[in-house]
Amino acid sequence: GENVEQHPSTLSVQEGDSAVIKCTYSDSASNYFPWYKQELGKGPQLIIDIRSNVGEKKDQRIAVTLNKTAKHFSLHITETQPEDSAVYFCAAGGGADGLTFGKGTHLIIQP
Amino acid sequence: DAMVIQNPRYQVTQFGKPVTLSCSQTLNHNVMYWYQQKSSQAPKLLFHYYDKDFNNEADTPDNFQSRRPNTSFCFLDIRSPGLGDAAMYLCATSRVTSNQPQHFGDGTRLSIL
Repeated sequence: GENVEQHPSTLSVQEGDSAVIKCTYSDSASNYFPWYKQELGKGPQLIIDIRSNVGEKKDQRIAVTLNKTAKHFSLHITETQPEDSAVYFCAAGGGADGLTFGKGTHLIIQP
Repeated sequence: DAMVIQNPRYQVTQFGKPVTLSCSQTLNHNVMYWYQQKSSQAPKLLFHYYDKDFNNEADTPDNFQSRRPNTSFCFLDIRSPGLGDAAMYLCATSRVTSNQPQHFGDGTRLSIL
């Protein structure tokens, strides 16, 4: 089955700086890579996703890059704001088994 | 407006006393999932329904069961909760299982006394 590794587990950045979270996956058949943001006491919310026929996708301050050859994908958040503080999960999927999640990154934005 | 609704948000039950968690959706999605999430961990898939077809994960304990009486509703039954079952339980939906976003509810936090 699929295995997703996510790093770092905790990331602290100054407000206004950029944050990068990286994930690797093992199953070359995976072709869908979403990123979720989870705030305390809430369910994960989809913030951006990318499919394997695309190398990069951007939505305002958030971007995701995908390297299929190396089997890794990354989340980039620019101009970080206090409301970006949360736990972020990457995931990989594409088959009938649905998504496999990474272990999460706790992003802390320092004022 | 919430599209995946879980009730209750907090549930307390006694050790060994059966408990049922509920989930409803307004998205008319084919697939409904139940995840268990423990503190500081990723969501762990327990099972999912594709329409009426039930798909159990290999390592989901027999203590956990699910029912989906119609497209909109899905229930998680824990027959004899143990202390290790205290967790957040998340329901999610998607149009199909592959290549599609999953939409999560805000979860039910289950405590075992």
